[in-house]
Amino acid sequence: AQTVTQSQPEMSVQEAETVTLSCTYDTSESDYYLFWYKQPPSRQMILVIRQEAYKQQNATENRFSVNFQKAAKSFSLKISDSQLGDAAMYFCAYRSASSSNTGKLIFGQGTTLQVKP
Amino acid sequence: KAGVTQTPRYLIKTRGQQVTLSCSPISGHRSVSWYQQTPGQGLQFLFEYFSETQRNKGNFPGRFSGRQFSNSRSEMNVSTLELGDSALYLCASSLRGWNTEAFFGQGTRLTVV
Repeated sequence: AQTVTQSQPEMSVQEAETVTLSCTYDTSESDYYLFWYKQPPSRQMILVIRQEAYKQQNATENRFSVNFQKAAKSFSLKISDSQLGDAAMYFCAYRSASSSNTGKLIFGQGTTLQVKP
Repeated sequence: KAGVTQTPRYLIKTRGQQVTLSCSPISGHRSVSWYQQTPGQGLQFLFEYFSETQRNKGNFPGRFSGRQFSNSRSEMNVSTLELGDSALYLCASSLRGWNTEAFFGQGTRLTVV
C-alpha cells in the first residue's frame, strides 16, 4: 500500500522569504501523480501544484515549485516570496495512475504554515 | 462555472442517529469521491462513485455508504452514528477520476453528541 509522510507538523516563514515543505512517499508503482493541496481556515482544499511521475522536469506554478526526486521518493514544495495569504495547512497527496485505483488520493498528515508579517 | 457544493455545511447529530450528506459536483464531472478529515486520522478516503457505480472503497465500516444519481450528484450516509464519526467530510469531483484534477467542496462539519 502507498503511504505519504510529512515530517514537519508546523513551519513558519517571514513574509517575502522562501520556505520549503517536505514530503516523502512510499510506493511500488512506477506511474503516479503527486500533488500539493492548500487548506486555508475556510477548510476548502485548493490544488497548488501537480507532478506527473513520468516527467523529470519539476512542476512550477508562479511562486510555487516542487523538487521531485523519484528515486528518493521525495516531493518537496518551495514557496517563494511568501505572502500572508499563503498561511494554511498544506497536504501532500499521492494518486496512482492505474485506472483500477481511480481517483483515490492518499494524503500526508499535513504541515501548518505560518507566515509572519 | 459553479464549484463543488456540499450541503449542509454544519450538522449536529446524536449518537445512534443516521445522517445523509450531499455533494453536487462541478457540471460535467462524473466522478465524486468522499473523504473524512479528523485531527487524529487526517484525511482518509471513503469511496468514489463514477456514473452511478462505486468504483473504489476505503477501509471504513459498513455503516458508511453512498450513492450517486444520474445527474452525478452524490450522497453519503452514515448509520448508527458514533462519537468518533465527528469529522469534516469532504467531497471532491473530477471529470473521470484518474488522470484528471480533483476539485473539493468546502465540506460538511459533522458533530456527533
